[in-house]
Amino acid sequence: AQSVTQLGSHVSVSEGALVLLRCNYSSSVPPYLFWYVQYPNQGLQLLLKYTTGATLVKGINGFEAEFKKSETSFHLTKPSAHMSDAAEYFCAVSGGSSGSARQLTFGSGTQLTVLP
Amino acid sequence: DGGITQSPKYLFRKEGQNVTLSCEQNLNHDAMYWYRQDPGQGLRLIYYSQIVNDFQKGDIAEGYSVSREKKESFPLTVTSAQKNPTAFYLCASSVGGPDTQYFGPGTRLTVL
Repeated sequence: AQSVTQLGSHVSVSEGALVLLRCNYSSSVPPYLFWYVQYPNQGLQLLLKYTTGATLVKGINGFEAEFKKSETSFHLTKPSAHMSDAAEYFCAVSGGSSGSARQLTFGSGTQLTVLP
Repeated sequence: DGGITQSPKYLFRKEGQNVTLSCEQNLNHDAMYWYRQDPGQGLRLIYYSQIVNDFQKGDIAEGYSVSREKKESFPLTVTSAQKNPTAFYLCASSVGGPDTQYFGPGTRLTVL
């Protein structure tokens, strides 16, 4: 079984400030981890993913995330927030390579608001 | 351009009616998925298909049905048995396994 917890359903930051969105996961096998972004009434767009190898992953739009196995975390960060970053962000985990373990399990999402 | 299309974007249904949501992809992906999204609940898996003519139930399959007759198409039928069908429905596809899923733009279904 696998699960994802996103701490904070709503996060507000000022434009230019650090963005930190938290994600903790559980998985019985080495996980694949993903961050997606969703703008209103649209589908999800992949920001970045971790599969194997380097634990610091860089994505689009200046976002990055670090896989910390000891903390079972995959927090998303961006050094300086832009107004265009306002959206909902979803963390997801996929464990293993067979059967139901292949499926993505999503967190409940974090709505990011960027204040001028 | 390769991608996933969903139609219609908005759909209204009367209680007691079945309705079918379309999902088409030209990415040559083997696996396709249907998710339901409700406010504050993230995405929940309805059905998925890893290969043509085969599909499996997800976490919330009751009141839904699917078919996978072609690799490119994975339509979802919301039946009258679905007690609370008003939601945003998202289709996705992937190469297979634990790989990245790519999402369509979604269909918002409202039951009147």
